[in-house]
Amino acid sequence: EAQVTQNPRYLITVTGKKLTVTCSQNMNHEYMSWYRQDPGLGLRQIYYSMNVEVTDKGDVPEGYKVSRKEKRNFPLILESPSPNQTSLYFCASSLQRTYEQYFGPGTRLTVT
Amino acid sequence: TQLLEQSPQFLSIQEGENLTVYCNSSSVFSSLQWYRQEPGEGPVLLVTVVTGGEVKKLKRLTFQFGDARKDSSLHITAAQPGDTGLYLCAGVYNQGGKLIFGQGTELSVKP
Repeated sequence: EAQVTQNPRYLITVTGKKLTVTCSQNMNHEYMSWYRQDPGLGLRQIYYSMNVEVTDKGDVPEGYKVSRKEKRNFPLILESPSPNQTSLYFCASSLQRTYEQYFGPGTRLTVT
Repeated sequence: TQLLEQSPQFLSIQEGENLTVYCNSSSVFSSLQWYRQEPGEGPVLLVTVVTGGEVKKLKRLTFQFGDARKDSSLHITAAQPGDTGLYLCAGVYNQGGKLIFGQGTELSVKP
């Protein structure tokens, strides 16, 4: 089954404790992206990757890091999480020629 | 910062009514997408419009792309409770990988 998987689905952590949210897709998509969703603000793009070893900033990259060492994986790293990073995070992938996003199920992160 | 203004943010209607959701920007898009999201799930693509003036129909849903490729609308005819959900528009800029989403429209259709 074609899908985007994210782990963990739920995470409660404390300020400053480094964490990684994994994202994997099995559709051989070149493009992958991370978004955060907050009430009233819609989805905001954090980082995106056009292909392996190619990443670029979206609209809200501060406090986040990404890497794309393999085509299927695109982890999101929070080196020192803060409470304002409490949010619902979505990973997505697509073919590069269409950018039609296939979304993962989401990761709800709470930073206390 | 590019913006994509989506309106209305909330819409509560009775079954059988028609509705229109709008997405507007001052920027030109290479394409515009519409998604629907249900609680606890990721958004799911409904349609992509690419050409200025393009109209696409998906059963009772009609999507239109503005002539100048700066705006789009979603019209639902005879809404049903199953249409309830969050509708999101997303603009793609210059095929460069950057997507901008509207704030979303929370639609509730009551039986």
